[in-house]
Amino acid sequence: GENVEQHPSTLSVQEGDSAVIKCTYSDSASNYFPWYKQELGKRPQLIIDIRSNVGEKKDQRIAVTLNKTAKHFSLHITETQPEDSAVYFCAASPYSTLTFGKGTMLLVSP
Amino acid sequence: ETGVTQTPRHLVMGMTNKKSLKCEQHLGHNAMYWYKQSAKKPLELMFVYNFKEQTENNSVPSRFSPECPNSSHLFLHLHTLQPEDSALYLCASSQVPGTFPSGAKNIQYFGAGTRLSVL
Repeated sequence: GENVEQHPSTLSVQEGDSAVIKCTYSDSASNYFPWYKQELGKRPQLIIDIRSNVGEKKDQRIAVTLNKTAKHFSLHITETQPEDSAVYFCAASPYSTLTFGKGTMLLVSP
Repeated sequence: ETGVTQTPRHLVMGMTNKKSLKCEQHLGHNAMYWYKQSAKKPLELMFVYNFKEQTENNSVPSRFSPECPNSSHLFLHLHTLQPEDSALYLCASSQVPGTFPSGAKNIQYFGAGTRLSVL
């Protein structure tokens, strides 16, 4: 089955800095890669996703890049704000299920 | 009520109790999922139902018994649980990947979860 590795497990940045979270996957059949944000005590919510026929996607301050050859994808957050503090999960989908990484706790200090 | 709702939000049970978790989705989806979230394994898939049929059981112990009477409702029946089963149980729903209108995207919408404590 699919295996997703996510790094780092914790990331601390100053407000205004950029943050990058990286994931690798194992199944070359995976064709859909979403990112979820989970704030403390709340449910995971989709923030951005990318399909395997696209190399990069951007939505305001967040962007995702995908390298199919190397089987890795990354989340980039620019101009971080305290409200970006949360746990971020990457996932990969080869068929009908999502396999999630172990999450990255992002802490943005004012 | 919109989205995915789970009840109860909190549950404390003894190891000999029998209880059930309920999930209801109001999004017109045809796939539903149970996940276990704990410090060790943050988002661990347990069961998948597509069009009311179970399509995946991720080696879950038989003390967890899912039920999907229709595409909008999903239950997780619990009996003789162990303290290590204490966790947040999340339900999610989506369109079955490959079906209209999501195409190949498996966009899952999560409920707020049930925080389970087994004493």
